[in-house]
Amino acid sequence: AQTVTQSQPEMSVQEAETVTLSCTYDTSESDYYLFWYKQPPSRQMILVIRQEAYKQQNATENRFSVNFQKAAKSFSLKISDSQLGDAAMYFCASQGGVFYGGATNKLIFGTGTLLAVQP
Amino acid sequence: DTGVSQNPRHKITKRGQNVTFRCDPISEHNRLYWYRQTLGQGPEFLTYFQNEAQLEKSRLLSDRFSAERPKGSFSTLEIQRTEQGDSAMYLCASSHDVQLNTGELFFGEGSRLTVL
Repeated sequence: AQTVTQSQPEMSVQEAETVTLSCTYDTSESDYYLFWYKQPPSRQMILVIRQEAYKQQNATENRFSVNFQKAAKSFSLKISDSQLGDAAMYFCASQGGVFYGGATNKLIFGTGTLLAVQP
Repeated sequence: DTGVSQNPRHKITKRGQNVTFRCDPISEHNRLYWYRQTLGQGPEFLTYFQNEAQLEKSRLLSDRFSAERPKGSFSTLEIQRTEQGDSAMYLCASSHDVQLNTGELFFGEGSRLTVL
């Protein structure tokens, strides 16, 4: 079974500053992906960044980067130069198993971190 | 717009009534997922379709819930004899087949159910 834990229900950051959101996970799968999704108020969830577990290099997408610590099963998200538009609920998610035609490959989500950006 | 579309966006119903939600996935996606999200929680997996076949159902999906995906295109999620505990946001997501799969799911805006 897979579990994802986000221990920070809410976070706040000043505009242009950097913030780190924490996530830990547990899985018995040897092959898995990890994700951070952003859910703005009343809008659909969108992918922020993705990490393949077999890759040692941390993923980066513009102002977003992750710190992937496989042995510690930790997957934190760093947002640099925070912008007002970054205010949203952020979900950490894992997706495990071998990727073949019949596999479900469903996402398992954490409970989310609500990020507020102060002007 | 070629994203995932869900209807209705909001449904208010009385306890005991039946409700149906529809999801139109991105056209080239053959994988379709339903999730339920309650206030303060992350989305919880309900069921998964690959084309028209329902390949996995969560234990959260009680006998009052049924999902279909005829012809492997749009999907419906029906809740019979609604209860107040069914009040939640129901999210639909789709993705590519495994050959193209990056693991990413594309979500709709959700259908919010309020049971009075």
